[in-house]
Amino acid sequence: KAGVTQTPRYLIKTRGQQVTLSCSPISGHRSVSWYQQTPGQGLQFLFEYFSETQRNKGNFPGRFSGRQFSNSRSEMNVSTLELGDSALYLCASSLGWRDLPLNTGELFFGEGSRLTVL
Amino acid sequence: LAKTTQPISMDSYEGQEVNITCSHNNIATNDYITWYQQFPSQGPRFIIQGYKTKVTNEVASLFIPADRKSSTLSLPRVSLSDTAVYYCLVGAPISGNTPLVFGKGTRLSVIA
Repeated sequence: KAGVTQTPRYLIKTRGQQVTLSCSPISGHRSVSWYQQTPGQGLQFLFEYFSETQRNKGNFPGRFSGRQFSNSRSEMNVSTLELGDSALYLCASSLGWRDLPLNTGELFFGEGSRLTVL
Repeated sequence: LAKTTQPISMDSYEGQEVNITCSHNNIATNDYITWYQQFPSQGPRFIIQGYKTKVTNEVASLFIPADRKSSTLSLPRVSLSDTAVYYCLVGAPISGNTPLVFGKGTRLSVIA
C-alpha cells in the first residue's frame, strides 16, 4: 500500500512569489492535514480537510490556503512568500473521524516538501 | 485543546529503559493520548495511543494514571536508532472536531 506522497520534495522560491504544494493521501483516507515545521516553532498545524471541506484551520495568515479534491488529494498554496515561510511542510492523511468506530485517528505523514525562500 | 508539557530533551545510554513523561492537566473526558516519533527530515510516525491504564505494543508501553493528568511513554532497551523527537498529543481524533496539535516534543539522544 503506497504511503502519503508529497510533491515537490524540495523547492526554492524568492520573496513575493507563490508556491503550490501537493499531497496524495493513502488510498481510502479521506482526511488530510497540513503542518509547517521550523526549528524555532516546531510542528504547527495549518489546516485539515475532510471530504473536500476544511474542518479546522490553524493560526496562520490568509496567505496560506488549501483545498481538497474529490479524490482526497490536497494542495496548499502560499502566496506572497516571506523569508519566514522557509520550512518543511508536512502532509498527513488519516481515515477520518467517523469512517470506522475503532478509528484511532492515526496520522500517516509524508516525507514533506522543503521550501526555501530567498 | 488540552495543552501538553514534556521535557525538551533527554539523554540515555544504549540498552537502558527510557521513560518520557507528559503532563496534560486539562485533559477532557473524550480525549485520547497519542505519541509520535520523528526522525530528522521525516514526518512523525505513530507509536502508541491510549485512554487509561496501560497499553503495550511491540515498540513501547504507555502508562496512564487514573486521573489521566499525565502519561508516560516507556521505551525498553533503547538503541542508537531510537534517537528522535517524541511528541505527546492529547485530543479526540475519533469523535472530536479539533485537530491534533503537536507541541515542541522531547528530543531523545541515545548514546553508545
